[in-house]
Amino acid sequence: ETGVTQSPTHLIKTRGQQVTLRCSSQSGHNTVSWYQQALGQGPQFIFQYYREEENGRGNFPPRFSGLQFPNYSSELNVNALELDDSALYLCASSSDTPSGANVLTFGAGSRLTVL
Amino acid sequence: AQKVTQAQTEISVVEKEDVTLDCVYETRDTTYYLFWYKQPPSGELVFLIRRNSFDEQNEISGRYSWNFQKSTSSFNFTITASQVVDSAVYFCALSATSGTYKYIFGTGTRLKVLA
Repeated sequence: ETGVTQSPTHLIKTRGQQVTLRCSSQSGHNTVSWYQQALGQGPQFIFQYYREEENGRGNFPPRFSGLQFPNYSSELNVNALELDDSALYLCASSSDTPSGANVLTFGAGSRLTVL
Repeated sequence: AQKVTQAQTEISVVEKEDVTLDCVYETRDTTYYLFWYKQPPSGELVFLIRRNSFDEQNEISGRYSWNFQKSTSSFNFTITASQVVDSAVYFCALSATSGTYKYIFGTGTRLKVLA
């Protein structure tokens, strides 16, 4: 059983640029969530996708957007990057079974640095 | 509002010592889930335990044990006979039981186990 994989692992961008982060969910999982983890902080919920639609969003501006594809993989897009967007971006997948619906399996993250 | 507080920022212990990581939560929901995750230096969050608010029974898994007390809104985590491999950041999290399963994370406790 493959886990959650994210790419790229590290990237550096400058203010104003756009970035796309990618995530492949764990086999058998159909729900994907994205979290932002600033240095020394706990992860903050960005949004969740289920059946290719956003079904929950945290307190993040519209320049944070996402997609989920038919194979349940997902992308996180951030436009007009700001310095405060520098963080570890974590993708997590889960299934919609009663026992596993909210047990998240996390990837190792994409570390974004905005200069 | 929902909130998770992990007051211990960093704990250092010597190998084989027991250590307890504290977690206090706030929620107006009558049903909810609580979690503990471990984040090693590699970055991915590793699931340790999920506890339903209806189940206050304490749980033991090997050297790990969890003490859930609704009366004090606490969900503490104890590692018995700590090992160097236990060194990591540990996060406590809170989730609803339906709808979007977004996690509210605490700020984490960094555990250093010294040989």
